[in-house]
Amino acid sequence: AQTVTQSQPEMSVQEAETVTLSCTYDTSESNYYLFWYKQPPSRQMILVIRQEAYKQQNATENRFSVNFQKAAKSFSLKISDSQLGDTAMYFCAFSGAVPHNNDMRFGAGTRLTVKP
Amino acid sequence: SQTIHQWPATLVQPVGSPLSLECTVEGTSNPNLYWYRQAAGRGLQLLFYSVGIGQISSEVPQNLSASRPQDRQFILSSKKLLLSDSGFYLCAWSVAGVGGETQYFGPGTRLLVL
Repeated sequence: AQTVTQSQPEMSVQEAETVTLSCTYDTSESNYYLFWYKQPPSRQMILVIRQEAYKQQNATENRFSVNFQKAAKSFSLKISDSQLGDTAMYFCAFSGAVPHNNDMRFGAGTRLTVKP
Repeated sequence: SQTIHQWPATLVQPVGSPLSLECTVEGTSNPNLYWYRQAAGRGLQLLFYSVGIGQISSEVPQNLSASRPQDRQFILSSKKLLLSDSGFYLCAWSVAGVGGETQYFGPGTRLLVL
């Protein structure tokens, strides 16, 4: 079974600085998808970024980018120019490529605090 | 564009009372639908998912049940709530028939069982 591990329960960063959140996963599949979701204090889960495993190019969305290391099964999230609104729980997630398999798995989350 | 609604937003219920949480999706047809529970400060636990009307799969045995009476409606129910049912319940949808599709979440329902 696939597992997702986030080894940093809490992190903090100064406003305008850069922070990297770590995520590792375990799978025997060759094709799959990885996600980062953000959960602000309102608790609504918001998609931040999505990466397809067969694409070698790292996904980027404005200030958010990933470092996808397939061989190492690592999927870290980099937030540049951190803003106060980035304060949230961040969840890494894995999903296989087989339809109807319903194998999306979430990590335990990293609580990020952006300090003014 | 697609939107997902959940209600109620907050619910306080006594132990042993029934429960009904509703989730509806707009702007898409035949979505996959999911119910998750999140304990305070914890990750997400998948409770149920559905790939079509009347088709429900349970991930965790418990006193909760789910139903999908209409294509874009997903209901989470219980006949008798337990204290351990307290938590934050999230509904999500994804495009059907495609692997690895993004799940989009509703605003959630905070349930407190006293």
